[in-house]
Amino acid sequence: SYVLTQPPSVSVAPGQTARITCGENNIGSKSVHWYQQKPGQAPVLVVYDDSDRPSGIPDRFSGSNSGNTATLTISRVVAGDEADYYCQVWDSSSDHWVFGGGTKLTVL
Amino acid sequence: QVHLVESGGGVVQPGRSLRLSCAASGFQFSGYAIHWVRQAPGKGPEWVAAISKDGRNKYYADSVKGRFTISRDNSKNTLYLQMNSLRPEDTAVNYCVRDSGSSTLTNPGAFDIWGQGTMVNVSS
Repeated sequence: SYVLTQPPSVSVAPGQTARITCGENNIGSKSVHWYQQKPGQAPVLVVYDDSDRPSGIPDRFSGSNSGNTATLTISRVVAGDEADYYCQVWDSSSDHWVFGGGTKLTVL
Repeated sequence: QVHLVESGGGVVQPGRSLRLSCAASGFQFSGYAIHWVRQAPGKGPEWVAAISKDGRNKYYADSVKGRFTISRDNSKNTLYLQMNSLRPEDTAVNYCVRDSGSSTLTNPGAFDIWGQGTMVNVSS
């Protein structure tokens, strides 16, 4: 089965750049989506199809995907970016949708 | 505005059944595939089931296959999840989620709209 590996936590100072990775063999061949979840709230889509942003999502959020790693990059981090972030793909071989284990972003 | 509103959660004993509902508004419900995604306390989201726009194609996670059934009534703009033989490990917030991609699920997209979730607690 498809398993997406994320670091449990990432810490960054305000104004700096946070990078959250999502790894799996040949993930570059798939479309990766990223979600932000704050405590007590439903997840929110922040990046879709590797690098596109839904309307209303700041351009500080960007994504890339190549080889065995997809990356969510958050530039000029602010306190309000503190949240859990999850990557997600569709595994066409099994018709299952898969989430990564999640990364807690802490803004120092 | 686009809304998905889940209902039907609650406390249920192991082995019993529960049916969740999800009411859609603000978009053409019959034109989209829809999923159920759950999240156990303190854990990440877990995909549960998916259904195509017309209900012909259905997919299930291995953890619920044979116990849960996803269905929809496009005339009522409503999605359902029939949950049978519930187990303690089914305890979770259950979200109704819209798929932004192919309505037949042949080329799915991202989960672009989420409901607020309904809690299911399986406990004796």
